[in-house]
Amino acid sequence: SQTIHQWPATLVQPVGSPLSLECTVEGTSNPNLYWYRQAAGRGLQLLFYSVGIGQISSEVPQNLSASRPQDRQFILSSKKLLLSDSGFYLCAWTDRSTEAFFGQGTRLTVV
Amino acid sequence: EDKVVQSPLSLVVHEGDTVTLNCSYEVTNFRSLLWYKQEKKAPTFLFMLTSSGIEKKSGRLSSILDKKELFSILNITATQTGDSAIYLCAVGGSNYKLTFGKGTLLTVNP
Repeated sequence: SQTIHQWPATLVQPVGSPLSLECTVEGTSNPNLYWYRQAAGRGLQLLFYSVGIGQISSEVPQNLSASRPQDRQFILSSKKLLLSDSGFYLCAWTDRSTEAFFGQGTRLTVV
Repeated sequence: EDKVVQSPLSLVVHEGDTVTLNCSYEVTNFRSLLWYKQEKKAPTFLFMLTSSGIEKKSGRLSSILDKKELFSILNITATQTGDSAIYLCAVGGSNYKLTFGKGTLLTVNP
């Protein structure tokens, strides 16, 4: 069966520090991968999505970036965090015909 | 630009009430519409809708899609306090982009 792993679960980082959040999927190949951010318990804002290795679509211009170095690995990064980057980050995957499956999320607090 | 609009943004009801949550969308190359329930962390899947007029049902929850008018509704009958959550609507479009709405925060009071 397929599983998705996202870590860390919580993170407190100072302003200006770098960020790396990792998401990996097991039990499937060539998944579509997504990074979302959720602020204050509201809707999910699509940040990046990827339909294949090295293929990244960016939805929101900001100081975050994403990479997909391997088929089932999706990384969200920043070189210098801002206070406004605080939020709940969710990784998700689909196999094109099913619903999206979510990781457990990372709560990021920038201080 | 793909767009998903949910209404109402929040709703407070009493146990036993019936609620209807709305989701309208504008998307290029519609693939599917999905409903999720989010309580604390990861959203949990409720329904996937791809065809108009076919109701999907699971216990007290049901949903239907109207592809002509570009909307979907999620009904919850005989609400319980455990139904309190954020309900999220998402639409799949071109190139497998998956866009979510802002959610409806449902509070069910005893």
